[in-house]
Amino acid sequence: AQKITQTQPGMFVQEKEAVTLDCTYDTSDQSYGLFWYKQPSSGEMIFLIYQGSYDEQNATEGRYSLNFQKARKSANLVISASQLGDSAMYFCAMRPAVSGTYKYIFGTGTRLKVLA
Amino acid sequence: SAVISQKPSRDICQRGTSLTIQCQVDSQVTMMFWYRQQPGQSLTLIATANQGSEATYESGFVIDKFPISRPNLTFSTLTVSNMSPEDSSIYLCSVDRGAQETQYFGPGTRLLVL
Repeated sequence: AQKITQTQPGMFVQEKEAVTLDCTYDTSDQSYGLFWYKQPSSGEMIFLIYQGSYDEQNATEGRYSLNFQKARKSANLVISASQLGDSAMYFCAMRPAVSGTYKYIFGTGTRLKVLA
Repeated sequence: SAVISQKPSRDICQRGTSLTIQCQVDSQVTMMFWYRQQPGQSLTLIATANQGSEATYESGFVIDKFPISRPNLTFSTLTVSNMSPEDSSIYLCSVDRGAQETQYFGPGTRLLVL
């Protein structure tokens, strides 16, 4: 069965420091996509970063990077130089990259609080 | 990315009533998705709405409770029928976009049922 696990229900980080949010996944598929989303208290889901299972380089988007370790089936999100506005829920998600497959599998989320 | 709007942004409803949520996308898309996020929980897919055909519902969700319309390629509605307090959630619509078929979400509708 396919599954996403986020073991950190809550995290604190000091402003301007880096923080790593953990995500492990379980799948028997060879091809899949991994995504991270941010959900502020307003409730909207904001797409942050994508990593394909065949991508050799770790994905980066501004202050966000994805530490992808395929053999360990982990896709941790690294946020550098944390800002107060980074305080939110963060969800890891997986999607099998099979044509016509649209279903995302979401983790339970990690609540990040950035301290001033 | 995609520009997606939802109406209403929030509502407070009485049990036994129904609420229709609208989702508008900035360009034509084949599939639109409806999710529910109960308080403190992750997202759960309710159904997929294709234009011109019946919506496809996930296990645990039925058309009588969550009827969906998809009259054109940029618009969809989700109705939450005969509401109970357990229906209090955030309801989000989303669409696929881009080479990675990333799902982009609307701003969500916060529903509180009393």
